[in-house]
Amino acid sequence: KAGVTQTPRYLIKTRGQQVTLSCSPISGHRSVSWYQQTPGQGLQFLFEYFSETQRNKGNFPGRFSGRQFSNSRSEMNVSTLELGDSALYLCASSYTGSTDTQYFGPGTRLTVL
Amino acid sequence: GQQLNQSPQSMFIQEGEDVSMNCTSSSIFNTWLWYKQDPGEGPVLLIALYKAGELTSNGRLTAQFGITRKDSFLNISASIPSDVGIYFCAGGTSGTYKYIFGTGTRLKVLA
Repeated sequence: KAGVTQTPRYLIKTRGQQVTLSCSPISGHRSVSWYQQTPGQGLQFLFEYFSETQRNKGNFPGRFSGRQFSNSRSEMNVSTLELGDSALYLCASSYTGSTDTQYFGPGTRLTVL
Repeated sequence: GQQLNQSPQSMFIQEGEDVSMNCTSSSIFNTWLWYKQDPGEGPVLLIALYKAGELTSNGRLTAQFGITRKDSFLNISASIPSDVGIYFCAGGTSGTYKYIFGTGTRLKVLA
């Protein structure tokens, strides 16, 4: 069974631009969670989607948004990029997302210049 | 952001030695997960724990779900160079649809 895939793996943007990251979960998994990882703040929860509905959201500004499609694939968008948005963005999938085992993708490394 | 207390923060050990690390929280969790992350990659699941008191092994790794449900422990026996990396714990609570991660333990193995 293929693992969680994320595209692109690397991205360089400038301040003020926007970016869209994509995540394809493991086949059969309907829950997708997004995390931001930085050296200073560690792994921080962004949001979780299940059946196209956001069920929980972390403490991030409204510039961070996401969505999930009917095939469980998910995208996250960051608008008006700031230097502090440079991070590794990780996607994780699980069957139902409650306290299921969660599997991560390789991440997207975003650099904002 | 919220993070769980994980200790030690980092450790150097000799190849062949056993390693212990733990994760503590002020909150009760229903699930504990342990991950290993290599630089620039996503975390890889090592062990999942679902019940207080549960002891689970995966090769040389053994993890335990604390009786109080507020802590968890990971042991690595007979460490080898490829054990180098950052180990994270994660706690999950029913109905919250999210995991809270520990601050990480950076393990360095001296051959």
